[in-house]
Amino acid sequence: AQKVTQAQTEISVVEKEDVTLDCVYETRDTTYYLFWYKQPPSGELVFLIRRNSFDEQNEISGRYSWNFQKSTSSFNFTITASQVVDSAVYFCALSEPYSGGGADGLTFGKGTHLIIQP
Amino acid sequence: NAGVTQTPKFQVLKTGQSMTLQCAQDMNHEYMSWYRQDPGMGLRLIHYSVGAGITDQGEVPNGYNVSRSTTEDFPLRLLSAAPSQTSVYFCASRLPSRGAPNSPLHFGNGTRLTVT
Repeated sequence: AQKVTQAQTEISVVEKEDVTLDCVYETRDTTYYLFWYKQPPSGELVFLIRRNSFDEQNEISGRYSWNFQKSTSSFNFTITASQVVDSAVYFCALSEPYSGGGADGLTFGKGTHLIIQP
Repeated sequence: NAGVTQTPKFQVLKTGQSMTLQCAQDMNHEYMSWYRQDPGMGLRLIHYSVGAGITDQGEVPNGYNVSRSTTEDFPLRLLSAAPSQTSVYFCASRLPSRGAPNSPLHFGNGTRLTVT
Protein backbone atom coordinates (compact mmCIF):
# COMPACT_ATOMS: atom_id res chain seq x y z
CA ALA A 1 0.00 0.00 0.00
CA GLN A 2 1.21 3.46 -0.79
CA LYS A 3 2.18 5.53 2.18
CA VAL A 4 1.53 8.75 0.35
CA THR A 5 -1.24 8.90 -2.22
CA GLN A 6 -1.74 11.74 -4.63
CA ALA A 7 -4.75 10.50 -6.53
CA GLN A 8 -4.81 13.38 -9.01
CA THR A 9 -2.27 12.58 -11.70
CA GLU A 10 -2.92 15.73 -13.67
CA ILE A 11 -5.09 18.81 -13.14
CA SER A 12 -5.71 21.50 -15.71
CA VAL A 13 -7.39 24.80 -14.83
CA VAL A 14 -7.67 28.22 -16.34
CA GLU A 15 -5.66 31.04 -14.84
CA LYS A 16 -7.23 32.72 -11.81
CA GLU A 17 -9.18 29.64 -10.81
CA ASP A 18 -8.60 28.12 -7.38
CA VAL A 19 -7.22 24.60 -7.32
CA THR A 20 -6.70 22.04 -4.57
CA LEU A 21 -4.14 19.25 -4.71
CA ASP A 22 -4.97 16.27 -2.55
CA CYS A 23 -2.55 14.27 -0.43
CA VAL A 24 -3.51 11.30 1.71
CA TYR A 25 -0.92 9.57 3.86
CA GLU A 26 -0.66 6.42 5.89
CA THR A 27 1.39 5.94 9.03
CA ARG A 28 1.22 4.16 12.36
CA ASP A 29 3.48 6.68 14.04
CA THR A 30 2.07 9.34 16.30
CA THR A 31 4.89 11.72 15.44
CA TYR A 32 5.53 12.36 11.79
CA TYR A 33 6.12 15.21 9.37
CA LEU A 34 4.58 16.14 6.07
CA PHE A 35 6.11 18.17 3.26
CA TRP A 36 5.15 19.66 -0.08
CA TYR A 37 7.64 20.17 -2.90
CA LYS A 38 7.25 21.91 -6.25
CA GLN A 39 9.01 20.81 -9.42
CA PRO A 40 8.66 23.47 -12.15
CA PRO A 41 9.36 22.68 -15.81
CA SER A 42 13.02 23.53 -15.25
CA GLY A 43 13.26 20.34 -13.17
CA GLU A 44 14.57 21.35 -9.77
CA LEU A 45 12.75 20.34 -6.60
CA VAL A 46 11.73 23.24 -4.41
CA PHE A 47 10.67 22.83 -0.80
CA LEU A 48 7.37 24.62 -0.06
CA ILE A 49 6.19 23.70 3.43
CA ARG A 50 6.49 21.24 6.30
CA ARG A 51 3.94 20.32 8.95
CA ASN A 52 4.28 18.43 12.25
CA SER A 53 1.73 15.78 13.14
CA PHE A 54 0.94 17.56 16.39
CA ASP A 55 0.22 20.91 14.78
CA GLU A 56 -3.06 20.91 12.90
CA GLN A 57 -3.18 24.62 12.31
CA ASN A 58 -3.73 25.45 8.70
CA GLU A 59 -1.14 27.63 7.06
CA ILE A 60 -1.42 30.38 4.50
CA SER A 61 1.42 31.89 2.54
CA GLY A 62 0.23 34.39 -0.01
CA ARG A 63 -1.88 32.52 -2.56
CA TYR A 64 -0.89 29.16 -1.10
CA SER A 65 -2.65 27.44 1.78
CA TRP A 66 -2.41 24.03 3.36
CA ASN A 67 -5.13 22.10 5.16
CA PHE A 68 -3.87 19.39 7.50
CA GLN A 69 -6.50 17.03 8.91
CA LYS A 70 -5.31 14.11 11.03
CA SER A 71 -8.82 12.66 11.20
CA THR A 72 -8.74 11.97 7.48
CA SER A 73 -4.93 11.61 7.15
CA SER A 74 -4.86 14.36 4.59
CA PHE A 75 -2.60 17.31 3.89
CA ASN A 76 -4.15 19.19 0.99
CA PHE A 77 -2.65 22.14 -0.84
CA THR A 78 -4.75 24.95 -2.30
CA ILE A 79 -3.61 27.61 -4.72
CA THR A 80 -5.92 30.61 -4.87
CA ALA A 81 -6.17 32.69 -8.03
CA SER A 82 -3.78 30.42 -9.88
CA GLN A 83 -1.18 31.81 -12.25
CA VAL A 84 0.68 30.31 -15.19
CA VAL A 85 3.87 30.29 -13.10
CA ASP A 86 2.18 27.80 -10.76
CA SER A 87 2.36 25.19 -13.50
CA ALA A 88 4.52 22.40 -12.11
CA VAL A 89 4.52 18.94 -10.64
CA TYR A 90 3.76 19.01 -6.93
CA PHE A 91 4.88 16.29 -4.57
CA CYS A 92 3.62 15.48 -1.11
CA ALA A 93 6.02 13.60 1.19
CA LEU A 94 6.00 11.91 4.58
CA SER A 95 8.79 11.61 7.15
CA GLU A 96 8.58 9.04 9.95
CA PRO A 97 11.77 9.73 11.87
CA TYR A 98 11.10 7.27 14.69
CA SER A 99 10.27 4.24 12.57
CA GLY A 100 13.81 2.95 12.14
CA GLY A 101 15.31 1.77 8.87
CA GLY A 102 15.75 4.58 6.41
CA ALA A 103 13.96 6.83 8.83
CA ASP A 104 15.83 9.95 7.88
CA GLY A 105 14.37 9.88 4.40
CA LEU A 106 11.11 11.03 2.93
CA THR A 107 8.48 8.90 1.22
CA PHE A 108 7.05 10.72 -1.75
CA GLY A 109 3.74 10.50 -3.49
CA LYS A 110 3.75 10.11 -7.26
CA GLY A 111 3.05 13.77 -7.80
CA THR A 112 0.30 15.86 -9.35
CA HIS A 113 1.00 17.65 -12.60
CA LEU A 114 -0.73 21.02 -12.42
CA ILE A 115 -1.32 22.88 -15.67
CA ILE A 116 -2.48 26.47 -15.51
CA GLN A 117 -3.78 27.64 -18.86
CA PRO A 118 -3.69 31.33 -19.70
CA ASN B 1 26.18 28.83 -0.36
CA ALA B 2 26.15 26.13 -3.06
CA GLY B 3 23.82 23.66 -1.28
CA VAL B 4 23.72 20.29 -3.07
CA THR B 5 25.76 20.07 -6.26
CA GLN B 6 25.31 17.28 -8.77
CA THR B 7 27.42 16.53 -11.81
CA PRO B 8 27.02 15.92 -14.65
CA LYS B 9 23.72 17.51 -15.64
CA PHE B 10 23.24 15.23 -18.64
CA GLN B 11 24.81 11.90 -19.59
CA VAL B 12 24.32 9.37 -22.35
CA LEU B 13 25.71 5.88 -21.84
CA LYS B 14 25.74 2.72 -23.86
CA THR B 15 24.50 -0.50 -22.32
CA GLY B 16 27.23 -2.06 -20.23
CA GLN B 17 29.20 1.12 -19.62
CA SER B 18 29.93 2.29 -16.12
CA MET B 19 29.87 5.76 -14.67
CA THR B 20 29.70 7.70 -11.43
CA LEU B 21 27.22 10.45 -10.64
CA GLN B 22 28.79 12.94 -8.30
CA CYS B 23 27.04 14.64 -5.39
CA ALA B 24 28.48 17.10 -2.92
CA GLN B 25 26.88 19.24 -0.22
CA ASP B 26 28.35 22.05 1.83
CA MET B 27 25.72 22.23 4.58
CA ASN B 28 27.35 19.65 6.86
CA HIS B 29 24.31 17.38 6.52
CA GLU B 30 24.81 13.90 7.87
CA TYR B 31 21.99 12.38 5.85
CA MET B 32 22.41 12.04 2.10
CA SER B 33 20.40 10.07 -0.40
CA TRP B 34 19.86 9.29 -4.06
CA TYR B 35 16.45 9.20 -5.74
CA ARG B 36 15.43 8.37 -9.24
CA GLN B 37 12.44 9.97 -10.91
CA ASP B 38 10.53 8.19 -13.62
CA PRO B 39 7.26 9.26 -15.30
CA GLY B 40 4.27 8.25 -13.19
CA MET B 41 6.46 6.75 -10.48
CA GLY B 42 7.33 9.77 -8.39
CA LEU B 43 10.64 9.80 -6.56
CA ARG B 44 12.03 6.45 -5.47
CA LEU B 45 14.87 6.04 -3.00
CA ILE B 46 17.91 4.19 -4.33
CA HIS B 47 20.49 4.39 -1.53
CA TYR B 48 21.02 6.55 1.50
CA SER B 49 23.65 7.33 4.11
CA VAL B 50 23.24 8.57 7.66
CA GLY B 51 26.89 9.54 8.00
CA ALA B 52 30.41 8.97 6.73
CA GLY B 53 31.16 5.27 6.42
CA ILE B 54 27.48 4.23 6.64
CA THR B 55 25.29 3.41 3.67
CA ASP B 56 22.12 1.43 3.19
CA GLN B 57 19.72 0.38 0.48
CA GLY B 58 16.49 2.11 -0.36
CA GLU B 59 13.53 0.97 -2.39
CA VAL B 60 15.30 0.38 -5.74
CA PRO B 61 19.01 -0.35 -5.08
CA ASN B 62 19.72 -2.98 -7.74
CA GLY B 63 22.35 -1.95 -10.27
CA TYR B 64 23.73 0.87 -8.14
CA ASN B 65 26.54 1.21 -5.62
CA VAL B 66 27.33 4.03 -3.23
CA SER B 67 30.03 4.95 -0.76
CA ARG B 68 30.40 7.72 1.81
CA SER B 69 33.99 8.43 2.68
CA THR B 70 33.34 12.03 3.72
CA THR B 71 30.39 13.97 5.07
CA GLU B 72 30.35 16.14 1.95
CA ASP B 73 30.37 13.58 -0.86
CA PHE B 74 28.02 10.77 -1.81
CA PRO B 75 28.71 9.38 -5.30
CA LEU B 76 26.38 6.96 -7.07
CA ARG B 77 27.97 4.32 -9.28
CA LEU B 78 26.39 2.45 -12.14
CA LEU B 79 28.60 -0.58 -12.70
CA SER B 80 26.99 -1.84 -15.92
CA ALA B 81 24.37 0.51 -17.26
CA ALA B 82 21.08 -0.87 -18.55
CA PRO B 83 18.30 0.87 -20.50
CA SER B 84 16.06 0.45 -17.42
CA GLN B 85 18.34 2.90 -15.64
CA THR B 86 17.36 5.70 -17.99
CA SER B 87 15.97 8.23 -15.55
CA VAL B 88 16.49 11.53 -13.80
CA TYR B 89 18.60 11.17 -10.68
CA PHE B 90 18.44 13.46 -7.71
CA CYS B 91 20.81 13.69 -4.80
CA ALA B 92 19.40 15.10 -1.57
CA SER B 93 20.61 15.86 1.92
CA ARG B 94 19.17 16.93 5.23
CA LEU B 95 19.98 17.27 8.89
CA PRO B 96 19.54 14.03 10.87
CA SER B 97 15.88 13.52 11.75
CA ARG B 98 16.62 12.71 15.39
CA GLY B 99 18.07 16.14 15.96
CA ALA B 100 15.97 18.05 13.48
CA PRO B 101 12.95 15.92 12.61
CA ASN B 102 11.25 18.56 10.53
CA SER B 103 14.33 19.34 8.49
CA PRO B 104 13.43 19.30 4.79
CA LEU B 105 15.40 17.49 2.13
CA HIS B 106 17.57 19.76 0.03
CA PHE B 107 17.88 18.56 -3.54
CA GLY B 108 20.49 18.94 -6.22
CA ASN B 109 19.37 19.99 -9.69
CA GLY B 110 19.34 16.47 -11.04
CA THR B 111 21.20 14.38 -13.62
CA ARG B 112 19.34 13.26 -16.72
CA LEU B 113 20.77 9.88 -17.72
CA THR B 114 19.98 8.06 -20.94
CA VAL B 115 21.18 4.51 -21.52
CA THR B 116 20.99 3.30 -25.11
